[in-house]
Amino acid sequence: DTAVSQTPKYLVTQMGNDKSIKCEQNLGHDTMYWYKQDSKKFLKIMFSYNNKELIINETVPNRFSPKSPDKAHLNLHINSLELGDSAVYFCASSQDAGYSYEQYFGPGTRLTVT
Amino acid sequence: GDSVTQMEGPVTLSEEAFLTINCTYTATGYPSLFWYVQYPGEGLQLLLKATKADDKGSNKGFEATYRKETTSFHLEKGSVQVSDSAVYFCALRSGGTSYGKLTFGQGTILTVHP
Repeated sequence: DTAVSQTPKYLVTQMGNDKSIKCEQNLGHDTMYWYKQDSKKFLKIMFSYNNKELIINETVPNRFSPKSPDKAHLNLHINSLELGDSAVYFCASSQDAGYSYEQYFGPGTRLTVT
Repeated sequence: GDSVTQMEGPVTLSEEAFLTINCTYTATGYPSLFWYVQYPGEGLQLLLKATKADDKGSNKGFEATYRKETTSFHLEKGSVQVSDSAVYFCALRSGGTSYGKLTFGQGTILTVHP
């Protein structure tokens, strides 16, 4: 059973389009995250939800909007896609937001904007 | 704010060589420290962790010791294999208002040749 799953795995789209990436975890965790990995492999937090409540919202363009319909799901919607949004987006979850808990990562979604 | 600095890569070794990847951090309070590994085309997997000073994390022959006095968490392995070729990320997780977000180093690409 996959612990943290993301769909789609690959997403190729044109500038100006709107797209969504879905994430689901079956670990019973309370906290979920979105990270962005750029072309140089650098990883940075974007958002985090704890029990469906937004707790981390880093400096991200407001074209990016996370939505958590329930504890097991955290989706990422991106409006008006730009070339610079091309990256790998990782979803992760942890038991809660406590600092000692490890995070489990999904396989990533490679977004290419042309 | 929190930050993690890893040694510059890429690192290229022959099979059975000794591996060290340096990692130092800056954080308020007492963070938890992690090493994650990313194999080609895959998501991140937790390799090992340490949650307090002088703790040693170990897994699959890799080890790292939480050194508070030097704010370091260097990764070591006595004898690397070709299958260890991957990108290695050092990360920290603070408590308090950081809500458990992971702060990553820039990643170190390791290539092991037969």
